Amino acid sequence: EVQLVESGGGLVQPGRSLKLSCTASGFTFSSFTMAWVRQAPKKGLEWVATITSGGSNTYYPDSVKGRFTISRDNAKTALYLQMDSLRSEDTATYYCVKESTVATYFDYWGQGVMVTVSS
Amino acid sequence: DIVLTQSPALAVSLGQRATISCRASQSVNISRYNLMHWYQQKPGQQPKLLIYRASNLASGIPARFSGSGSGTDFTLTINPVQADDIATYYCQQSRESPWTFGGGTKLGLK
Repeated sequence: EVQLVESGGGLVQPGRSLKLSCTASGFTFSSFTMAWVRQAPKKGLEWVATITSGGSNTYYPDSVKGRFTISRDNAKTALYLQMDSLRSEDTATYYCVKESTVATYFDYWGQGVMVTVSS
Repeated sequence: DIVLTQSPALAVSLGQRATISCRASQSVNISRYNLMHWYQQKPGQQPKLLIYRASNLASGIPARFSGSGSGTDFTLTINPVQADDIATYYCQQSRESPWTFGGGTKLGLK
């Protein structure tokens, strides 16, 4: 059974940093592209970052490019999201997601971790 | 960016058919592949994949869910609607980065 468990969320002041972690199990982690998707309170879904299976390629939308960094440790089956220069609009639940082999859809989701950016 | 437009809400009766639409601002097809996918999100839960590449049922999803469409217009159909299907439904495209989602359609009961 695929399991994705996020941690590291919490309350942080604007301009500060936070690092999220996700521990994966139930599949060959090193073989799959992984991503983060977020959801602001009462809002829709927004893709935040993607990293290829070996970690050599990363992708971001303009809204977080230059502020967020996705990384992974395949030996630990762990995915990370380093979030710097946080803004109030980054307040959201962050989901760790497994991407499909082809066509870039998100076939498994973690339960999510809440990040609140507020002074 | 490709913008996906969904109606905000839909009310149906139990046992009836629900049709949820998603319109893309440009085609999401590549060759014979329709790169539109559907997710279900119940309150307080994470999203769950329902349909991938427009019409393929994800693992473990009941056959009362189906998807169709091509180009810019796509539909998720639930027939018959059951009480457990009350949720918000999102479409998502993977034709072009950034991957984008529709605003969601909240399915409720009449």
